[in-house]
Amino acid sequence: EVQLVESGGGLVQPGRSLRLSCAASGFTFDDYAIHWVRQTPGKGLEWVSGISWDSGSIDYADSVKGRFTISRDNAKNSLYLQMNSLRAEDTALYYCAKVARASGWLNQGYFDCWGQGTLVTVSS
Amino acid sequence: DIQMTQSPSSLSASVGDRVTITCRASQSISSYLNWYQQKPGKAPNLLIYAASSLDRGVPSRFSGSGSGTDFTLTISSLQPEDFATYYCQQSYRIPYTFGQGTKLEIK
Repeated sequence: EVQLVESGGGLVQPGRSLRLSCAASGFTFDDYAIHWVRQTPGKGLEWVSGISWDSGSIDYADSVKGRFTISRDNAKNSLYLQMNSLRAEDTALYYCAKVARASGWLNQGYFDCWGQGTLVTVSS
Repeated sequence: DIQMTQSPSSLSASVGDRVTITCRASQSISSYLNWYQQKPGKAPNLLIYAASSLDRGVPSRFSGSGSGTDFTLTISSLQPEDFATYYCQQSYRIPYTFGQGTKLEIK
């Protein structure tokens, strides 16, 4: 069974850091790009960042550029999101999501498997 | 960024009804339009990709059409399990963007 499991969320003060993890199983992890998408009641679904199968292509939403860093460890079947200088507006449920096509990037950016999400709350 | 606008924002319908949800892009996105279904407390689930291709296991009562800027998701005969929120998403250009969602409720 294809599965993604996020962890690392929690309550953090503004300006602090948090590292999210996404553990993958049930598929050949290093064949697929993986992305982070967050969701809030107010702003809906927002794409945050993505990394290609070989880490050769990485992109970020402008809202997180310079503060968040995405990375992956294909040997550990894991994806990470290092979040620094957190702001209240980063409060959201963070999902990792796998693209449907092996080696897919850009136009193949549709997600056929999502984790259950990990909640990040930024508040003093 | 490409803005995605769905209409309506909410919709009441009955089991057996035919329902259409519209998604409009702020610029042409060719056929790089995807649809997801989300139920409360669950992650989104891919229904349709590339405007009209059904993902594996998705019932044939779901269909998608359109290209350029205007797209539709149609459910031919609503079933009880279809009451959920639906989102469109463009994969033409990064940053990927989503519509605001259409909540489909039971009449």
